[in-house]
Amino acid sequence: GEDVEQSLFLSVREGDSSVINCTYTDSSSTYLYWYKQEPGAGLQLLTYIFSNMDMKQDQRLTVLLNKKDKHLSLRIADTQTGDSAIYFCAESPDNFNKFYFGSGTKLNVKP
Amino acid sequence: NAGVTQTPKFRVLKTGQSMTLLCAQDMNHEYMYWYRQDPGMGLRLIHYSVGEGTTAKGEVPDGYNVSRLKKQNFLLGLESAAPSQTSVYFCASRRDLNTGELFFGEGSRLTVL
Repeated sequence: GEDVEQSLFLSVREGDSSVINCTYTDSSSTYLYWYKQEPGAGLQLLTYIFSNMDMKQDQRLTVLLNKKDKHLSLRIADTQTGDSAIYFCAESPDNFNKFYFGSGTKLNVKP
Repeated sequence: NAGVTQTPKFRVLKTGQSMTLLCAQDMNHEYMYWYRQDPGMGLRLIHYSVGEGTTAKGEVPDGYNVSRLKKQNFLLGLESAAPSQTSVYFCASRRDLNTGELFFGEGSRLTVL
């Protein structure tokens, strides 16, 4: 399978910015995704970026894509305690038949 | 707004027992997926389906079987459960549109003793 890698943990203070990083392997992926998983729940799509873009902003969220280095990041501005969750990056290299997920980064926001 | 519903939500099995997890979606989605989630390993694709009557293997299909007899349902079966199958199982579905957004169920926690 594809190899999508993320660090496992990130801890920030409320009000700070959080940056979650991801590396992926398949340069043919059309879209790259960030999903959020809250405790005891399934994953929900947070945002995505089309592969021909290098940045996408959506309110407090900024996604940066470096195709050359196959690196994806998610920046959350003004992080709140409600942002505490596990964040997964994902890619789909084969026109959405299959999706490959990273191991997830657990974000802990301290008051 | 049921979305994707998984049953059961919790189950404890003994080694060698069989069981079926049911995933039902009411969004008329073509594609459905079964993933397992293990600590530090993220989500791994078990099997998927691109439409009614079709199934295909994912990354970790061994020990599992699936069926998609009706478009809205995707069943995951364990014929002879093993402790290595202790995991949280997630079903997901998606529309056949360009962005590929997946809609997930709440998960089914399975423990095999």
